Amino acid sequence: EAGVAQSPRYKIIEKRQSVAFWCNPISGHATLYWYQQILGQGPKLLIQFQNNGVVDDSQLPKDRFSAERLKGVDSTLKIQPAKLEDSAVYLCASSSLRLWELFFGEGSRLTVL
Amino acid sequence: EDKVVQSPLSLVVHEGDTVTLNCSYEVTNFRSLLWYKQEKKAPTFLFMLTSSGIEKKSGRLSSILDKKELFSILNITATQTGDSAVYLCAVAPPPGAGGTSYGKLTFGQGTILTVHP
Repeated sequence: EAGVAQSPRYKIIEKRQSVAFWCNPISGHATLYWYQQILGQGPKLLIQFQNNGVVDDSQLPKDRFSAERLKGVDSTLKIQPAKLEDSAVYLCASSSLRLWELFFGEGSRLTVL
Repeated sequence: EDKVVQSPLSLVVHEGDTVTLNCSYEVTNFRSLLWYKQEKKAPTFLFMLTSSGIEKKSGRLSSILDKKELFSILNITATQTGDSAVYLCAVAPPPGAGGTSYGKLTFGQGTILTVHP
């Protein structure tokens, strides 16, 4: 079974630039999550989708972050404009509806200079 | 605000030592506590604990939950260099309508374990 795919694995940008990350969850998984993991901290949930609808985006900084999951499969997370404090690993995870186990991708590491 | 605190933040041991990692939590809604191992990639699942006092074991790793005192421990016996990683503890709330809350994990900051040969 293919795992959660994310790209790019690494991205370096200057502050005020924009960046987009892509996630392809495990086939058939209805629920998709984006987590932000700042160095030295645990992951923090940014947004949760179920199919193509947003379930929870209460911790997403909506002035600069946006995310979508068109057709209920792939998802993109965008940051525009980026700030220094956005430097982090962005982890995508997916799960099957009503099953507890969360499967994580390898993450996209963002460095903002 | 939900809070999960892990201790120690980092630990350096030699192969063969036994280590105990701690996780305490203070959350509004609790369903289960999960432990993950994170090397330089995606967190990988170790244990899920839902009931107090029932030890879960997998090889040299074991974990137990105390829902009265709101903490969990993860033990690793006879450590090996391959155990070097960040160990994350996370709390999961009860599922919402249609099971929508399963993945809304609140993580601790992690314990960095380094095992020297």
